[in-house]
Amino acid sequence: EEQLLESGGGLVQPGGSLRLSCAASGFTFSSYAMSWVRQAPGKGLEWVSGISGSGGSTYYADSVKGRFTISRDNSKNTLYLQMNSLRAEDTAVYYCAKDNVPGIAAAAGFEPWGQGTLVTVSS
Amino acid sequence: DIQMTQSPSSLSASVGDRVTITCRASQSISSYLNWYQQKPGKAPQLLIYTASSLQSGVPSRFSGSGSGTDFTLTISSLQPEDFATYYCQQSYSTPWTFGQGTKLEIK
Repeated sequence: EEQLLESGGGLVQPGGSLRLSCAASGFTFSSYAMSWVRQAPGKGLEWVSGISGSGGSTYYADSVKGRFTISRDNSKNTLYLQMNSLRAEDTAVYYCAKDNVPGIAAAAGFEPWGQGTLVTVSS
Repeated sequence: DIQMTQSPSSLSASVGDRVTITCRASQSISSYLNWYQQKPGKAPQLLIYTASSLQSGVPSRFSGSGSGTDFTLTISSLQPEDFATYYCQQSYSTPWTFGQGTKLEIK
């Protein structure tokens, strides 16, 4: 069974940093692009960042470009999101999600998703 | 960025009803359109990918259609477990964008 387990969320002050991790199991991690998607309290879904299976290509939403960095360690089957210069509007549940099929990034959607980790940016 | 607009934003229906949710893209996205179901406090789950392909394990009462800019998700006969929020998402170009969601409630 394919599984994703996020960790690293918590309360951080504006301007602070946080690193999220997503441990993957049940599939060949390096064969699949991965993404981070967030959901602010009571709001809809917002794609944040994506990375190819090799890690050689990365993609970001404009709202986080220059502040967040996505990376992966295929030897550890783990995806990361380094979040710097955090703002109140970054408060959300952050999900990691696997590309449904290998190949063209995100072409067939995201599945499965992790259970999410809550990031709260507040003083 | 490609904007995705769902309608309606909310919908009340009864068990056994046929329900259709629409999603419109601000430009053509070919068939790169996916549908998700999300229940309160849970992660989204993929229902339909590339507009009309049923994800493995998803009941056949769910179906999708469309191409270009206009797409639909249809639930042929609502079951109690289908009351949830549904999102469309384009995977044609980054940034991948989602619709605002359609909340399906029990009448």
